Amino acid sequence: GAVVSQHPSWVICKSGTSVKIECRSLDFQATTMFWYRQFPKQSLMLMATSNEGSKATYEQGVEKDKFLINHASLTLSTLTVTSAHPEDSSFYICSASNVVGEVFQPQHFGDGTRLSIL
Amino acid sequence: QKEVEQNSGPLSVPEGAIASLNCTYSDRVSQSFFWYRQYSGKSPELIMSIYSNGDKEDGRFTAQLNKASQYVSLLIRDSQPSDSATYLCAVNGYNTDKLIFGTGTRLQVFP
Repeated sequence: GAVVSQHPSWVICKSGTSVKIECRSLDFQATTMFWYRQFPKQSLMLMATSNEGSKATYEQGVEKDKFLINHASLTLSTLTVTSAHPEDSSFYICSASNVVGEVFQPQHFGDGTRLSIL
Repeated sequence: QKEVEQNSGPLSVPEGAIASLNCTYSDRVSQSFFWYRQYSGKSPELIMSIYSNGDKEDGRFTAQLNKASQYVSLLIRDSQPSDSATYLCAVNGYNTDKLIFGTGTRLQVFP
């Protein structure tokens, strides 16, 4: 199956630090990459959708200046949490998908990044 | 009404039994339907995808789709304790690659 690599898997840092998370599709070219956040015992929450070479589309309530997304190629997207604070502590998960014909293929998820801000 | 609805469970079944997980969706023009499994503390893992009415089987898993009733289900035969997880139903809207997730059904398979 399709493989999506996410790095790092675990980050602990001080308040005010910026944290960069990478998401790579290893064996397919991803038309679109997605960034989710999940708090304990809650559902996945979509933060933003990114397409290669264009600006990310953020969901309502997600601060685009706080969560910077770069999608430089068909296999790499990055999420930077700027000036992170304890309330940003969460499980961040990326996914990638592509389109075959007119059919949207399944999203394949990375292993996630557990972010803890002290 | 939520866009994708699932019973939160927990659904408890004995080892070897069939687990039946159900999902309804509100957007009639949805085209693609997926089941993901999520273990506690892990990211979702794709189990099944289904695009047309009827049944689709893959090993112990069978996905069933009924677009007229806006209903999609997942059957797990010969359930194992390792199947214990939260199962997420996800739906693509028309002409969009965004997924709408249900809140998930927690499955517990006891020995």
